[in-house]
Amino acid sequence: DGGITQSPKYLFRKEGQNVTLSCEQNLNHDAMYWYRQDPGQGLRLIYYSQIVNDFQKGDIAEGYSVSREKKESFPLTVTSAQKNPTAFYLCASSAGQGVSSETQYFGPGTRLLVL
Amino acid sequence: AQSVTQLGSHVSVSEGALVLLRCNYSSSVPPYLFWYVQYPNQGLQLLLKYTSAATLVKGINGFEAEFKKSETSFHLTKPSAHMSDAAEYFCAVGPIAGGYNKLIFGAGTRLAVHP
Repeated sequence: DGGITQSPKYLFRKEGQNVTLSCEQNLNHDAMYWYRQDPGQGLRLIYYSQIVNDFQKGDIAEGYSVSREKKESFPLTVTSAQKNPTAFYLCASSAGQGVSSETQYFGPGTRLLVL
Repeated sequence: AQSVTQLGSHVSVSEGALVLLRCNYSSSVPPYLFWYVQYPNQGLQLLLKYTSAATLVKGINGFEAEFKKSETSFHLTKPSAHMSDAAEYFCAVGPIAGGYNKLIFGAGTRLAVHP
């Protein structure tokens, strides 16, 4: 089955620690996205990548970093500089070009909690 | 600049009653419009989308939405609510000018269905 997987489902971060959230897709999509979801605020874009080895900051990139070394993978690192990391993180992908390229498909999410 | 407003953060209906979730948007370019549904601790699932074809769009689970350009609205409806419809619903608009398939999401509407 084609889809997007995120791991882990729950992640705990200690003070001063960097943690990495995994996102993998087997939809052969060019574009991938990371969103942060907080109660009552909808989804806010952290980073997005249109193609391998390229990515751009979204609206709330401070305290986060990403890489896009493979088409299928777009990991997100929450650094110690992110002072309020507790949230639900969602990864998405889209075809990037062609028919239905505007439609984003989402993974199941990772909930990050601070110890 | 594009934006999305969802009127009512919480909506409660009786089982079998009409569901109406409101979404208004602003966009400087012809918009794509989406409705997504999110069940607790899960990712977002696409319900339906408008991409400049028919103004009345039918989606999954009996939902539909009508694009009204004069009212800048894209309200989501379902004739008869089912208990399984209880979830959070997000309206989104794209494309973002210069933003390559980026979407702007509303804050969400939580739908409760009671017997």
